[in-house]
Amino acid sequence: DGGITQSPKYLFRKEGQNVTLSCEQNLNHDAMYWYRQDPGQGLRLIYYSQIVNDFQKGDIAEGYSVSREKKESFPLTVTSAQKNPTAFYLCASSIGGWPRNTEAFFGQGTRLTVV
Amino acid sequence: GQQLNQSPQSMFIQEGEDVSMNCTSSSIFNTWLWYKQDPGEGPVLLIALYKAGELTSNGRLTAQFGITRKDSFLNISASIPSDVGIYFCAGLYLVDKIIFGKGTRLHILP
Repeated sequence: DGGITQSPKYLFRKEGQNVTLSCEQNLNHDAMYWYRQDPGQGLRLIYYSQIVNDFQKGDIAEGYSVSREKKESFPLTVTSAQKNPTAFYLCASSIGGWPRNTEAFFGQGTRLTVV
Repeated sequence: GQQLNQSPQSMFIQEGEDVSMNCTSSSIFNTWLWYKQDPGEGPVLLIALYKAGELTSNGRLTAQFGITRKDSFLNISASIPSDVGIYFCAGLYLVDKIIFGKGTRLHILP
């Protein structure tokens, strides 16, 4: 089945450690996005990529890094520089031109907890 | 910066009741989207609105793009238990910038 898959669903990290969240899609979408969701808050854009080997910072990129070496994959690394990393992280993908012309599909999310 | 005010923050209703929620802003938007998120899941698109004044339905859901382009509302008629969740509006401004509201959490009382 086509879709967008995030793993793991739950992740625990010790303070000071980097951790990488996986996002894979087999929809042949060009664009991929990472959002952060905090309780009672809307989704906030961390990074996005419109094409392989290119990505742009979103509104809250500090303390995060990404790569886009393959069309299907857009991993997000939460670095130790992120001061408040505990949150629900959502990955999305679209054909391109979202939301003007297309729909974006979201993964099921990864809940990261710093212990 | 751009801001969306989504209200109400939460609603408690009886099964069968109609629901209404809205998003407002002081800024103009070119597209409005309404999403639903179930607990521990990603948001799913319910309705997309691309033109001022547009009224679109999806089953029991109806959404409208305000004439001023600064607001949008979502109505759910005859609510059922599976309507429980968080509803988000999102607005497109500029060419490719999108901003999400903080969500309306819908609870249905037994």
